[in-house]
Amino acid sequence: RKEVEQDPGPFNVPEGATVAFNCTYSNSASQSFFWYRQDCRKEPKLLMSVYSSGNEDGRFTAQLNRASQYISLLIRDSKLSDSATYLCVVKITGTASKLTFGTGTRLQVTL
Amino acid sequence: DTEVTQTPKHLVMGMTNKKSLKCEQHMGHRAMYWYKQKAKKPPELMFVYSYEKLSINESVPSRFSPECPNSSLLNLHLHALQPEDSALYLCASSLTAFTDTQYFGPGTRLTVL
Repeated sequence: RKEVEQDPGPFNVPEGATVAFNCTYSNSASQSFFWYRQDCRKEPKLLMSVYSSGNEDGRFTAQLNRASQYISLLIRDSKLSDSATYLCVVKITGTASKLTFGTGTRLQVTL
Repeated sequence: DTEVTQTPKHLVMGMTNKKSLKCEQHMGHRAMYWYKQKAKKPPELMFVYSYEKLSINESVPSRFSPECPNSSLLNLHLHALQPEDSALYLCASSLTAFTDTQYFGPGTRLTVL
């Protein structure tokens, strides 16, 4: 079983739609959680950290369920510029900032 | 300045060549990382340097040799690579090796012929 699993997509949605991505992780020692965004042929960029209480940044909302070992990202009012691959990332406590990346979910927002 | 720079952007090399990838950051970060990313795959950690000392080597073949000359620079020396080593090589840095947020450079796209 992969340490971090995501639906690879692609998710094709029209502009203005709401889209949700899910991610599960297998190691219960995972302590920190993130969503990164990666555009085609570019480097990953931190989109947002994910906190136990859930957190929101503009159109983006992230949720964490430790009991189910499940992370989600909700994007509201999708823009064309949101088209990218979204990587779910976890860090295990005690390991020197060793991030484990999911395979990513590809989002394509269309007119 | 929240930027990690990498040179070159693209590199084509033969299997007998020796080349080096360079990474630089001036954010005062004391942890630096090399990742390898194949097409349609997530980044995979190769090495972690913490305070200029090698902290993690993820069982990377010896044809990849990292070097951290100072706190701002990280090199990856390449020798006798194989075509399957062709990938995007990403450098990242973080404040310390235990800080969560890593900042990635744009990467070097390597092709081994």
